[in-house]
Amino acid sequence: EDQVTQSPEALRLQEGESSSLNCSYTVSGLRGLFWYRQDPGKGPEFLFTLYSAGEEKEKERLKATLTKKESFLHITAPKPEDSATYLCAVLYGNKLVFGAGTILRVKS
Amino acid sequence: SQTIHQWPATLVQPVGSPLSLECTVEGTSNPNLYWYRQAAGRGLQLLFYSVGIGQISSEVPQNLSASRPQDRQFILSSKKLLLSDSGFYLCAWLGQGKFFGPGTRLTVL
Repeated sequence: EDQVTQSPEALRLQEGESSSLNCSYTVSGLRGLFWYRQDPGKGPEFLFTLYSAGEEKEKERLKATLTKKESFLHITAPKPEDSATYLCAVLYGNKLVFGAGTILRVKS
Repeated sequence: SQTIHQWPATLVQPVGSPLSLECTVEGTSNPNLYWYRQAAGRGLQLLFYSVGIGQISSEVPQNLSASRPQDRQFILSSKKLLLSDSGFYLCAWLGQGKFFGPGTRLTVL
């Protein structure tokens, strides 16, 4: 069965403490992998799209990478405003399927 | 510019009542459109997706249905709501911007 799995489920960091979130997938025919940020009560906000293994994208303190079986979202020197749920989704065929998300809390 | 509209923003409905949620997209044509439901503290569950007018793919066999009567309109419906239908409903457009609408928070009592 095609699956998208995110880990850890929750992550607590001190301000400035860098870390990585994982998204592993087992779908066939990946057309793209997407990362989103979601704040409570709001819809997901698009961050990155990765299309092929070896690709990397950066935005401020975030960097996303992609291999043939997983993607990482690296957070460098996080700030409290980076606290949110981070979601990954994979597109195969015309289906866009999400993982359960990682809840990130950054304390000052 | 490209925008997704969803309404209503919040909805409280009794069990057994009908449902109609509407999603419209501006600034594009022939978009792939998606309906998701998010239960409290959970991930996004794909309900339906559509690649064109009248073309609906269903991911859930329950009491929900979807329709796409126009290119930029996607409607989620139910004839009789269940308690388990409560949640945050999101419409998404897989276009260049990968947009999500603002969502509808549905409470079934």
